[in-house]
Amino acid sequence: QTVVTQEPSLSVSPGGTVTLTCGLSSGSVYSSYNPSWYQQTPGQAPRTLIYKTDIRSAGVPDRFSGYILGNKAALTITGVQAQDESDYYCLLCLDTDIRVFGGGTKLTVL
Amino acid sequence: QAQLVESGGGLVQPGGSLRLSCVASGFSFGRYGMHWVRQAPGKGLEWVAFIRSDGKKQYYADSVKGRFTISRDNSKNTLFLQMNSLRVEDTAVYYCGSDQLWSFERWGQGTLVTVSS
Repeated sequence: QTVVTQEPSLSVSPGGTVTLTCGLSSGSVYSSYNPSWYQQTPGQAPRTLIYKTDIRSAGVPDRFSGYILGNKAALTITGVQAQDESDYYCLLCLDTDIRVFGGGTKLTVL
Repeated sequence: QAQLVESGGGLVQPGGSLRLSCVASGFSFGRYGMHWVRQAPGKGLEWVAFIRSDGKKQYYADSVKGRFTISRDNSKNTLFLQMNSLRVEDTAVYYCGSDQLWSFERWGQGTLVTVSS
């Protein structure tokens, strides 16, 4: 069974830049998997940040950008703020209307 | 204002059944595919099921296939998840979400399902 992989945890300083990645246990991530990214703080529903690889959802600041980086999907956050400290999840569409989430990345702003 | 509101969660014994509902308002529900996603306590998000806008096709995660059934009533702007043969590992907050280009446009606030004896 294919597993979607993410860094379990990352840390970044305020004002810095961080890149989160989303890969596959076997194979590469392509734009045809339509990767999307979600932010979640404890006790809250997820918030959609990026869909269809690189399209920002309404109201998402341009500090968040999505793209394909080598054989993975990536989410880069620039000018990191304290409020960006959250869990981040990627989602891939691996087969017709079958979706799989990655395990999530816990981002700490030090 | 567009929103999704889940209900129907609660405490159920292993082997029991529960039916979740998700009522949509403020947008054209019948034009959107809909999902159920769950999150076990302290764990990550898990995609559970998807139903197309016309209700004619459904897709499931392997972990729930054969036990859960997703359905919808477009006349009542409502999405359902019938959960049978529940297991302790089905304990989670269950979210409904509307589809947008292979992602989620909107999320509900979630409803907690606890499977325990």
